[in-house]
Amino acid sequence: EVQLVESGGGLVQPGGSLRLSCAASGFTFSHHWMHWVRQAPGKGLVWISRITGDGRTTNYADSVKGRFTISRDNAKNTLYLQMNSLRADDTAVYYCVRNSDSWGQGILVTVSS
Amino acid sequence: DVVMTQSPLSLPVTLGQPASISCRSSQSLVYSDGNTYLNWFQQRPGQSPRRLIYRVSNRDSGVPDRFSGSGSGTDFTLKISRVEAEDVGVYYCMQGTHWPHTFGQGTNLEIK
Repeated sequence: EVQLVESGGGLVQPGGSLRLSCAASGFTFSHHWMHWVRQAPGKGLVWISRITGDGRTTNYADSVKGRFTISRDNAKNTLYLQMNSLRADDTAVYYCVRNSDSWGQGILVTVSS
Repeated sequence: DVVMTQSPLSLPVTLGQPASISCRSSQSLVYSDGNTYLNWFQQRPGQSPRRLIYRVSNRDSGVPDRFSGSGSGTDFTLKISRVEAEDVGVYYCMQGTHWPHTFGQGTNLEIK
């Protein structure tokens, strides 16, 4: 069974940093594109970043480009999202997603002073 | 970015009756490999999204056959043949053809 478990969320001040992790199990992690999708409270879904199975290619939405970095450690079956220069509008539940077919439970990031 | 426009945004339905959600994209979703990467998701209250339909019309494993997807190019539809109580939630179309992938605004299905 595919499992994706996010961690690392919480409350951070504007301008601060946070690193999210996503522990994957139940499939061959290195064979799959992985993604981060976020959902602001009461709002819709926004795809923010993706990474190839070998980690060589990454893409970002304009809203996070230059501030967020996606990466992966295939030896540890773990996906990461390093978030810097956080703003209030980054407040959201962040989902780790395999391709588009499997989603984690989500982790809340709150940016507030 | 490709804009995905869903209608209606609110969908009250009587139990046992059919429901239909439309999704239109601002550009063709046909990829260079010939596939159309249009997916449908269901998000029940308090839960993560769940993919129901991939590549326009393919049901994911475990999805009841009362859900069906159709369409081509820029115009797509999700249909529920007979709505059940467990279908309450928000439904999103999503295109995976162009980066960034984009979602529709969501359609809130509720029981009348």
